[in-house]
Amino acid sequence: GAGVSQSPSNKVTEKGKDVELRCDPISGHTALYWYRQSLGQGLEFLIYFQGNSAPDKSGLPSDRFSAERTGGSVSTLTIQRTQQEDSAVYLCASSSTGWDGYGYTFGSGTRLTVV
Amino acid sequence: AQSVTQPDIHITVSEGASLELRCNYSYGATPYLFWYVQSPGQGLQLLLKYFSGDTLVQGIKGFEAEFKRSQSSFNLRKPSVHWSDAAEYFCAVGVRNDYKLSFGAGTTVTVRA
Repeated sequence: GAGVSQSPSNKVTEKGKDVELRCDPISGHTALYWYRQSLGQGLEFLIYFQGNSAPDKSGLPSDRFSAERTGGSVSTLTIQRTQQEDSAVYLCASSSTGWDGYGYTFGSGTRLTVV
Repeated sequence: AQSVTQPDIHITVSEGASLELRCNYSYGATPYLFWYVQSPGQGLQLLLKYFSGDTLVQGIKGFEAEFKRSQSSFNLRKPSVHWSDAAEYFCAVGVRNDYKLSFGAGTTVTVRA
């Protein structure tokens, strides 16, 4: 696609429910990143994909968080048994290679609210 | 590990006035430096970047930034702000052969008429 597309744009869920957030990167971009932006905070790195593999999952806050990427394209971030502290904007970004020096192209994010 | 500090949480500026946003980084070698802007409900848009060479970098929307190694700073400037510049601005640092960017906490800019 022309840009990085994320869905849903907003998600309200009850504490304890599972949620799935989707990211559709720019066509042909091999690298994909998930970041989390909490209120008043900067962006927190969650996970990096190169193709379908995730060389770095170090930013995932707990084992309730997981992500996968299929076909070198769409990625899904899953949060199980959501907690109120999971409320944040989840941003996805992609770039043409693992490090092309041009920075990322970001999606508009998914605003997750856990009530 | 690298880190980024944006000392100003919120700046208010009059339309037509100049703007300067501060960014300080911590890293042993020369980093790659970025400024992003985020309008409400939008993702982050790259304004400009510095890798090497000329320390004064020009970006989109009339912004520029200057890399000062001695001060570990990469401040963003605009000579005359427009109401549409009201947004949140993030400084970020990356290092060669690493794919992660470290972001500052952001500076919110309010433009008054």
